[in-house]
Amino acid sequence: EDKVVQSPLSLVVHEGDTVTLNCSYEVTNFRSLLWYKQEKKAPTFLFMLTSSGIEKKSGRLSSILDKKELFSILNITATQTGDSAVYLCAVAEEDNAGNNRKLIWGLGTSLGVNP
Amino acid sequence: DGGITQSPKYLFRKEGQNVTLSCEQNLNHDAMYWYRQDPGQGLRLIYYSQIVNDFQKGDIAEGYSVSREKKESFPLTVTSAQKNPTAFYLCASSMGLAPTYEQYFGPGTRLTVT
Repeated sequence: EDKVVQSPLSLVVHEGDTVTLNCSYEVTNFRSLLWYKQEKKAPTFLFMLTSSGIEKKSGRLSSILDKKELFSILNITATQTGDSAVYLCAVAEEDNAGNNRKLIWGLGTSLGVNP
Repeated sequence: DGGITQSPKYLFRKEGQNVTLSCEQNLNHDAMYWYRQDPGQGLRLIYYSQIVNDFQKGDIAEGYSVSREKKESFPLTVTSAQKNPTAFYLCASSMGLAPTYEQYFGPGTRLTVT
């Protein structure tokens, strides 16, 4: 069965710390992996990763994909209280014809950043 | 401001009643989606629509129905046949079919059925 597993499920850090969130997957026909940030309600898009070893970066956030070991990490450096949120990982599958099929979502990692 | 709106934010219904959740977008997106989010489970796709007057079942469509009469609107009806309707419902849209195109999410509707 296809699945996406995120770890840890939750963690609490102090402002200024660096955190690494993990997303591992078992998917039949991998197409891409996506990271979202969910604060209270609406998830907002962070990154889409399709190729191994190429880091995507946006400010203090960065992410990389390892298609051989089937995982991705999301790094947040110099954390701020505004980084407190649930971080969701999703993997996109494609069908045998190479068309988009569906997104498989992880449970998320709840990050709390204390001042 | 462009975006996705969902209404209402909180909805309470008695068991056995159908209820319709609203989702409107002014982003001129072709594709729209409905997800359900439950504690301890990832987002699960209920229905999606790529174009007006067309929609497809997602992974958990039983007990739900949708319509797509206008590009901007994709209402979801939770019918009395849905066994566990209490959940947080998220609507999303994208320019084209995800994940090639980024999904934008609405603020969600929390439905409680007693």
